[in-house]
Amino acid sequence: TQLLKQSPQFLSIQEGENLTVYCNSSSVFSSLQWYRQEPGEGPVLLVTVVTGGEVKKLKRLTFQFGDARKDSSLHITAAQPGDTGLYLCAGGSWNKLVFGAGTILRVKS
Amino acid sequence: DAGVTQSPTHLIKTRGQHVTLRCSPISGHKSVSWYQQVLGQGPQFIFQYYEKEERGRGNFPDRFSARQFPNYSSELNVNALLLGDSALYLCASSLEGQGKNIQYFGAGTRLSVL
Repeated sequence: TQLLKQSPQFLSIQEGENLTVYCNSSSVFSSLQWYRQEPGEGPVLLVTVVTGGEVKKLKRLTFQFGDARKDSSLHITAAQPGDTGLYLCAGGSWNKLVFGAGTILRVKS
Repeated sequence: DAGVTQSPTHLIKTRGQHVTLRCSPISGHKSVSWYQQVLGQGPQFIFQYYEKEERGRGNFPDRFSARQFPNYSSELNVNALLLGDSALYLCASSLEGQGKNIQYFGAGTRLSVL
């Protein structure tokens, strides 16, 4: 069974700070996805990383896929209150996504 | 265009009862997946349907069943409800059944079992 572990579980920071959240597994994934979920909503896809070592940027968010395709990280620069939410990583086969437990991010103004 | 719609948004049931949750995918999407998200956890895969056939099943008991209709909408049924079935049930649709397709999630149905 493929498992994804995310850390930290909870992060509370001040506006303007930088942060990194991690997604780790002992299994190799063909691709990993990062989602953001707000209260009362479903997860919304942020990015998909496919190639080992790949780095993708989405404004202030930087996503990296590990060389061995077993881990990924999400770095947010100059966090804003609007970044508050649950960040989920997911991977797996086309018909069955496996999700990590998520990192709850709270950005205080 | 409408996104993935789920109904009802909230539901309260008692132990032993049966529940049916509904999902309408994005127009043109033929694949529908169901996930259970318990508070404080990430979503867990329950079922995936593509072209009205079950293509994947997660580690859930037989009390959970689903089906997909000719218009690609889907229902998730749960029998003999337990307190532990209380969760947010998410439906996701995608354009095709395989490949690196994006799954679009609905807002979910919040089920409380008392």
